[in-house]
Amino acid sequence: DGGITQSPKYLFRKEGQNVTLSCEQNLNHDAMYWYRQDPGQGLRLIYYSQIVNDFQKGDIAEGYSVSREKKESFPLTVTSAQKNPTAFYLCASTPRTGVNRDGYTFGSGTRLTVV
Amino acid sequence: KNEVEQSPQNLTAQEGEFITINCSYSVGISALHWLQQHPGGGIVSLFMLSSGKKKHGRLIATINIQEKHSSLHITASHPRDSAVYICAVRRSGGSNYKLTFGKGTLLTVNP
Repeated sequence: DGGITQSPKYLFRKEGQNVTLSCEQNLNHDAMYWYRQDPGQGLRLIYYSQIVNDFQKGDIAEGYSVSREKKESFPLTVTSAQKNPTAFYLCASTPRTGVNRDGYTFGSGTRLTVV
Repeated sequence: KNEVEQSPQNLTAQEGEFITINCSYSVGISALHWLQQHPGGGIVSLFMLSSGKKKHGRLIATINIQEKHSSLHITASHPRDSAVYICAVRRSGGSNYKLTFGKGTLLTVNP
């Protein structure tokens, strides 16, 4: 079945270390997104990519970096510059950006805890 | 004020009850999504609406574009419906690549 795979499900890191979260999709979707979820808050957009080798900052991009070398993959690196990295991270995809009738597919998320 | 507001924040029901969750938004939109998030964290898309009403099994979603309001109804609720329900809107115009999310409604259905 097609879908989005995020790994790992739980991740623990020491403060000051960079960490990379994986997101892979086999839906042949053009657009991919990274969202962050904090308790009591709505999901917020970190980065998105509409096409391979191109990506744009979302609302809370500071302290994060991404790459889109392959259509299927959109890894997110949480750098040591991110002040509050502990959160739940969700990856999503749509067939195309800016097309209103396209629905979203979400991954199962990665819960990152920095100690 | 948040652009997307959901009510109630928490809802507890007995099995079999009719459930309504509300979503109001303050921006122009091209579509509204209802999502379900289970305790494990993964999110499932339930509905995408731009007008009218949609039904899938025991779930019904409605939207009133003029009033900027949507409702999600669950008929004959069941404990397996226990989850967080999230409303998200896709803006019309230049920012239509992203969703703006409500904070979610935690639904607990007791047997």
